[in-house]
Amino acid sequence: SAVISQKPSRDICQRGTSLTIQCQVDSQVTMMFWYRQQPGQSLTLIATANQGSEATYESGFVIDKFPISRPNLTFSTLTVSNMSPEDSSIYLCSSDGGGALALNEQFFGPGTRLTVL
Amino acid sequence: AQSVTQLDSQVPVFEEAPVELRCNYSSSVSVYLFWYVQYPNQGLQLLLKYLSGSTLVKGINGFEAEFNKSQTSFHLRKPSVHISDTAEYFCAVSYGSGNTGKLIFGQGTTLQVKP
Repeated sequence: SAVISQKPSRDICQRGTSLTIQCQVDSQVTMMFWYRQQPGQSLTLIATANQGSEATYESGFVIDKFPISRPNLTFSTLTVSNMSPEDSSIYLCSSDGGGALALNEQFFGPGTRLTVL
Repeated sequence: AQSVTQLDSQVPVFEEAPVELRCNYSSSVSVYLFWYVQYPNQGLQLLLKYLSGSTLVKGINGFEAEFNKSQTSFHLRKPSVHISDTAEYFCAVSYGSGNTGKLIFGQGTTLQVKP
């Protein structure tokens, strides 16, 4: 299994600014994922981040708006750039479980609750 | 397109009553199925998963689910709910034999357990 922590847990930001969210896993994992959960809605995958390669973005999400880093096997960051109130959401990081069955389960961090004024 | 449908947005139920939360997915040759629970202001916690083998899967907190390939369903059940089960429940599916690990989530079902 993997235990995931995220920083910050919540933030209130001004329109036009950027926020970087950090995700730390307690073990080495192959794949990390970033999701957005808009108020009262389900989770939508933003991108998949593998160490040593560019993140793969889902339809509707672009690198200029949501740049992602994955410098090693335990850490990733997501930046929400040039924020607008529509970016107010919970952003969740997840990872695979590591090991032989790495891709068969995802573990989630507690999320970062972002409010943009 | 691959999709997951949770048929009920809200399920109110009295404490100690049984409950079923329904989930259907678009058909595919190979799927992995999951149920997650999200308590207020918290992240997601895995309840149970189906990867292969027995179609009846038992999870934590007394929950179980049954994989029905012919009906493309993975309904979640609990014989007797507690107040503490009040939460949002998400069904999720990972598609494809290559298993990129990507999860597609349903819209969520709010379970409201009343005393």
